[in-house]
Amino acid sequence: QKEVEQNSGPLSVPEGAIASLNCTYSDRGSQSFFWYRQYSGKSPELIMFIYSNGDKEDGRFTAQLNKASQYVSLLIRDSQPSDSATYLCAVRREGAQKLVFGQGTRLTINP
Amino acid sequence: GAGVSQSPSNKVTEKGKDVELRCDPISGHTALYWYRQSLGQGLEFLIYFQGNSAPDKSGLPSDRFSAERTGGSVSTLTIQRTQQEDSAVYLCASSLLRPGEWDNSPLHFGNGTRLTVT
Repeated sequence: QKEVEQNSGPLSVPEGAIASLNCTYSDRGSQSFFWYRQYSGKSPELIMFIYSNGDKEDGRFTAQLNKASQYVSLLIRDSQPSDSATYLCAVRREGAQKLVFGQGTRLTINP
Repeated sequence: GAGVSQSPSNKVTEKGKDVELRCDPISGHTALYWYRQSLGQGLEFLIYFQGNSAPDKSGLPSDRFSAERTGGSVSTLTIQRTQQEDSAVYLCASSLLRPGEWDNSPLHFGNGTRLTVT
């Protein structure tokens, strides 16, 4: 079992709809969770992070964390074609400094 | 500098040659990481530096890979006797890890070095 799992997609969403990206992790000692966006041929850029159970909102983005079920999700409201990218989920264990990344989900927003 | 800087941006080398990849982190960032990303894959952790020491080098795939960091700043990743399976994008990231704030210290990535071994 991979430490961080994501559906590789592609996930297609019509413009203006809500895109929902999911990530599960295996280590219950995981403490903090990060979502990165990566455009083709570019480096990952941070969207947001979360470390408390519940929801965290930042503009059109909402991260949701459920430690009991070991999943974290990212919702993108009012999806735009510019949101088309690969979304990487990353997890940091308690006491560790490195981030462990999932394989990423490729998201396509259709105009 | 304004961001993490990596050089070269592209490197083509022949199998068996040694290569050096350079990373200049964001000024003041104490933590530095090397990852690699093969085509269509996620990020694979290689090594992490805190200052000049490497508390976690668990991701280095073989003894052909080594890295150092000097002056708490620039880092060099060296791959000896390159093999075709070493072809990937090598990404460097830095982070301002403050004690007690490990949980909310994200990594900031450079643009990577695309290594092609022929």
